[in-house]
Amino acid sequence: EIVLTQSPGTLSLSPGERATLSCRASQSVNSNYLVWYQQKPGQAPRLLIYGTSSRATGIPDRFSGSGSGTDFTLTISRLEPEDFAVYYCQQYGSSPLTFGGGTKVEIK
Amino acid sequence: QVQLVQSGAEVKKPGASVKVSCKASGFRFSNYAMHWVRQAPGQRLEWMGWINPDNGNTKYSQKFQGRVTITRDTSASTAYMELSSLISEDTAVYYCARWDRGCVDWGQGTLVTVSS
Repeated sequence: EIVLTQSPGTLSLSPGERATLSCRASQSVNSNYLVWYQQKPGQAPRLLIYGTSSRATGIPDRFSGSGSGTDFTLTISRLEPEDFAVYYCQQYGSSPLTFGGGTKVEIK
Repeated sequence: QVQLVQSGAEVKKPGASVKVSCKASGFRFSNYAMHWVRQAPGQRLEWMGWINPDNGNTKYSQKFQGRVTITRDTSASTAYMELSSLISEDTAVYYCARWDRGCVDWGQGTLVTVSS
């Protein structure tokens, strides 16, 4: 099983700042099979990024993804008030599909 | 528009089974895999398995093998997830999700509480 470790656990930032979230895999992940989700309290997750760097439909361009192998990054260029949430990475190159433990982006 | 509407909250006793439904609309049901993901209180998302609605083929996480069964009724555009031998640690919100290079659309979630 591929273990995904996200860091930091919590990121305290102000609106307008840049957020950099990390997702590290215990073994190499095909970059086509790494995705990111956003989840707000009481809501289902929302797909942000698929294939490491492609934005899902309707996702603003302040969200970007990058990486390869075992290291992947989600960047939010300028935080908007609605971006404060928990973010999860997921890999599906290997079964079982696995999720990271999440990074909470909170208002500083 | 795509909608996935799940059945309502359930309270079950340890050892019982629960079956959650997920009715799809707004897309061709047979064309997209349906995944099931759960989230225990304060915990990370956890993948349980998926079904190919076209042929009924399934793939389950080893963790739930033997306890989970995912089925579908194509005539009703509905997928089902049944989990048996429930324990308190199975208390969670259970989601169905349409797959397209990721879980692109999600149901609203079904809270399953396991308590004696």
